[in-house]
Amino acid sequence: ETGVTQSPTHLIKTRGQQVTLRCSSQSGHNTVSWYQQALGQGPQFIFQYYREEENGRGNFPPRFSGLQFPNYSSELNVNALELDDSALYLCAIRGWNEQFFGPGTRLTVL
Amino acid sequence: AQTVTQSQPEMSVQEAETVTLSCTYDTSESDYYLFWYKQPPSRQMILVIRQEAYKQQNATENRFSVNFQKAAKSFSLKISDSQLGDAAMYFCAYRDNNDMRFGAGTRLTVKP
Repeated sequence: ETGVTQSPTHLIKTRGQQVTLRCSSQSGHNTVSWYQQALGQGPQFIFQYYREEENGRGNFPPRFSGLQFPNYSSELNVNALELDDSALYLCAIRGWNEQFFGPGTRLTVL
Repeated sequence: AQTVTQSQPEMSVQEAETVTLSCTYDTSESDYYLFWYKQPPSRQMILVIRQEAYKQQNATENRFSVNFQKAAKSFSLKISDSQLGDAAMYFCAYRDNNDMRFGAGTRLTVKP
């Protein structure tokens, strides 16, 4: 059991604001990925961190940034929020040949 | 770029019957993994089954099995003896060293 947790569960922000989403796990997996899942769509890869360094990125602008900490917890930061940023944000830790997903944070931008 | 296509937005199956969900993908890589994930209304993404591209044998997990056709770049999921708890969104996913992509999903309804 990897026990991937995300906080907060739900979040409401207004356009132009900044938001920080958090992800942690009980296990010591050193690779974490973040995904954006818009309503009715599949998850879209945002970026991946390995040992505190970003080592892969999808087609997302620089206002999407992240951090990974020595304890392998991670943050996703989004600046200058836009209405289209409203989505479910998932983090996943990479185990052996699979990924374990957290329950997600539902972000609504008004 | 690698793409994953699920051509069935919705599927329906009678309880205890068998259903097959389709997935095709596009890649120039030779080493990759394919997955089927289930996402119930609780939003938690749950791994259903995994297939390594280098393995010719189709993966099987209890009632779930895949038909992996590497040359055709096809990766379908067969659910046997469907149960009410199988109702969910199902996502096909591709992963190589640098990228992971998901299809748009298939909503599976199970009728009692």
